[in-house]
This record gives sequence, structure tokens and C-alpha cells, in this order.
Amino acid sequence: QKEVEQDPGPLSVPEGAIVSLNCTYSNSAFQYFMWYRQYSRKGPELLMYTYSSGNKEDGRFTAQVDKSSKYISLFIRDSQPSDSATYLCAMSFSGNTPLVFGKGTRLSVIA
Amino acid sequence: EADIYQTPRYLVIGTGKKITLECSQTMGHDKMYWYQQDPGMELHLIHYSYGVNSTEKGDLSSESTVSRIRTEHFPLTLESARPSHTSQYLCASLGQGNTGELFFGEGSRLTVL
Repeated sequence: QKEVEQDPGPLSVPEGAIVSLNCTYSNSAFQYFMWYRQYSRKGPELLMYTYSSGNKEDGRFTAQVDKSSKYISLFIRDSQPSDSATYLCAMSFSGNTPLVFGKGTRLSVIA
Repeated sequence: EADIYQTPRYLVIGTGKKITLECSQTMGHDKMYWYQQDPGMELHLIHYSYGVNSTEKGDLSSESTVSRIRTEHFPLTLESARPSHTSQYLCASLGQGNTGELFFGEGSRLTVL
């Protein structure tokens, strides 16, 4: 079983839709949870960061962590064509240990 | 915008050639990483460094080597490239805060014929 599971998609939605992206993980020792966004031919960039359980909101983006279910989510409200990218979940045991990444979900938002 | 740079961005070479992928960052970060990324697959950690003269192999077995003679520079070398080395190589450095944020370069896409 892989440490982090993420459906690679692709996922295609119309502009304005609410997008839900998810990852599951197997190691309960993970404490730091992140979502990276990667545009085509670019490196990933940090989108959202959450420590332990709970929700975090930043504009149209909301990250949720449910440690009891070992499940994390990223919600995008009012999706825009500029949100079209690959979204990678990542997690680590501490702020100093290497991140473990999911496969990434490729999202296309159609105008 | 992150100050981490990778060269070359794209490279096509023949089997058996020696290549070096360059990575430099101007943020003074101690910890640096090399990841390999194939389409539809996870980023796999192949090398990392916690500072000058420190290098470690990552989770994914790799025939590449790295060096860290200066804080800002973390090159990756393949002594004899093979078609199986065709991939995207991403360099990253760890931010100074305790969030664990990685700053990535734009990647080096290597094709070995």
C-alpha cells in the first residue's frame, strides 16, 4: 500500500463549479499537510498548508484534514480556467522531514 | 516568487553521455532536494542534502550522484545516461520557517535517446 493515495484524474469541470480534490494516507504519524499546484512545464508551488487536523481557508480555497479518517481535501469554489493545473497533496512527519507526495490530480476548468 | 533556478530546462542526449543538471538557490536555505517526476506518478525523492558536505540518497534508487560544496549549489550528475533516465528532474529547497514548505525550481526535462 502506498503511503499517500491520490486519484490522478483527469478531472474536467465547467467554470464556476466547486471542485473537490482528495488524498488518503496510511501513516498516522503525518502531522503537516500541504497542497501544491503545478502548472504545465513549471515546478510545484505551495497553495495551502495545514498542521494537524482542521480546516483552513484562503480566498476560494479551503483545505481540510481529518486525521481520524486519514483523509485530506482541497475545495476550490467558483473555479476559474486559471485554476487548470495539477494539484499535488503532500505530507510530512515534521517541518524538517522530507515531504511524501501523492501522484497529483490534473484539473481542467472549462470556460 | 522562489529564487531557485535549474539549468538546462530541456536536454536531449545520446546514451552513454555524462550530464550534470544544475540547481542554484539564492535564499540561503540549508536543505535541498532532488525529485524525479514522471507523468501521472508521484514525485520521488532521489537525493537530499542538509547542508554543505552533506548528501543522502532518497527513497527512489538512482544511478545519479550529487554534491554540495556550496550552500547555494546542488548539482546532480549522471555518469552514463540511459533511456531509463528519461524523466523530469525537480530541485527544491526547504524554507526557513517550520511549515515544511518546499520551494521548487522549474525542472529539467531530460530525454535520453
